[in-house]
Amino acid sequence: DAGVTQSPTHLIKTRGQQVTLRCSPISGHKSVSWYQQVLGQGPQFIFQYYEKEERGRGNFPDRFSARQFPNYSSELNVNALLLGDSALYLCASSLTFKNEQYFGPGTRLTVT
Amino acid sequence: QQQVKQSPQSLIVQKGGISIINCAYENTAFDYFPWYQQFPGKGPALLIAIRPDVSEKKEGRFTISFNKSAKQFSLHIMDSQPGDSATYFCAGLPGSGGGADGLTFGKGTHLIIQP
Repeated sequence: DAGVTQSPTHLIKTRGQQVTLRCSPISGHKSVSWYQQVLGQGPQFIFQYYEKEERGRGNFPDRFSARQFPNYSSELNVNALLLGDSALYLCASSLTFKNEQYFGPGTRLTVT
Repeated sequence: QQQVKQSPQSLIVQKGGISIINCAYENTAFDYFPWYQQFPGKGPALLIAIRPDVSEKKEGRFTISFNKSAKQFSLHIMDSQPGDSATYFCAGLPGSGGGADGLTFGKGTHLIIQP
């Protein structure tokens, strides 16, 4: 079975722009979580979705938003990009919201 | 924010030796404790995980030891190999009603196994 897939792999944006990142979970998994990993740090929790509903939100500003589609794929949107948003954005897939989480390869976002 | 404190920040072990990484947590609502392995440019890969109802879990060369009263847990890598060289993260996940349903990660341990 295919693992978690994310697109694009890399992305370069300018301050103030908006970006959309995409994630497809492992087949059969109904929960998707998003994390931000700054270089040299552990991942920080942004959102969790289960059955298309938001289950949890981390300590991130309202510029960050997400949604989950009927096929359980998900998008993360970030508006009004700041230099500090440069990071590896990780998507994790799990059967439900309380099971093991499996990470995708991430999207490397660079804001200039 | 409830933290997970991980140590050491970096570790060098000789091939065949035992690598030990420690974590301490604050949030008593955590009921699931995974360890992840991450190679440069890759996403974290789930290595092994434990729940508080057991004190130890072993899978191959990897063992988690868990001390609920001390709120500490550790990863032991036996017979460490150069291919184990990576960054390791511990994490905690709250049970139902324990808060936002996301993993809280430690800051990572950069492990180097010398041949």
